[in-house]
Amino acid sequence: ETGVTQTPRHLVMGMTNKKSLKCEQHLGHNAMYWYKQSAKKPLELMFVYSLEERVENNSVPSRFSPECPNSSHLFLHLHTLQPEDSALYLCASSQGLGAYEQYFGPGTRLTVT
Amino acid sequence: AQKVTQAQTEISVVEKEDVTLDCVYETRDTTYYLFWYKQPPSGELVFLIRRNSFDEQNEISGRYSWNFQKSTSSFNFTITASQVVDSAVYFCALTTTSYDKVIFGPGTSLSVIP
Repeated sequence: ETGVTQTPRHLVMGMTNKKSLKCEQHLGHNAMYWYKQSAKKPLELMFVYSLEERVENNSVPSRFSPECPNSSHLFLHLHTLQPEDSALYLCASSQGLGAYEQYFGPGTRLTVT
Repeated sequence: AQKVTQAQTEISVVEKEDVTLDCVYETRDTTYYLFWYKQPPSGELVFLIRRNSFDEQNEISGRYSWNFQKSTSSFNFTITASQVVDSAVYFCALTTTSYDKVIFGPGTSLSVIP
């Protein structure tokens, strides 16, 4: 099993739909992250979890709701999204916060219609 | 405040040429860590290297080398004899003891033309 997996890889949803993105890490790491990557924009850190506790929420709209049921799994629940939310959503994990390198999943390409 | 600048937005080179990607960082902390990541067209960022602020030794790994200079707050990345597979977006990143989240630069898109 590869280090960090994400499902689905591609998602098209309408603005009234509810969907969830899933991330799973098989590296025994304690920290997990959600990033948003839009075209021509820098990586945006959305949420950080350390030992299943949320430690960062960078002013993300409430239509994005994270969930970390255990140290291996991270979800991003989506509802009533806007077209500008279309982006690549990347999950990452690291051994801990700060000095540790992050390992990324392949991302979910989200299109909101 | 912490900041990472990658002034080169896009670079295009012909295969077998050498290319250097620039990274300039800002921090007032004395203890910090610098990273480089590669994002190929498939989308997944791949970790390449981590350096801490107390180790200014340059590093070489195959065709890749990194030049860390605290005097100029730079952590540049050189690819020797570039190959088409090196085509990707490369991100420089910083984390410090006072802000333990990673700050990514805007990235440099490298195209290696056969």
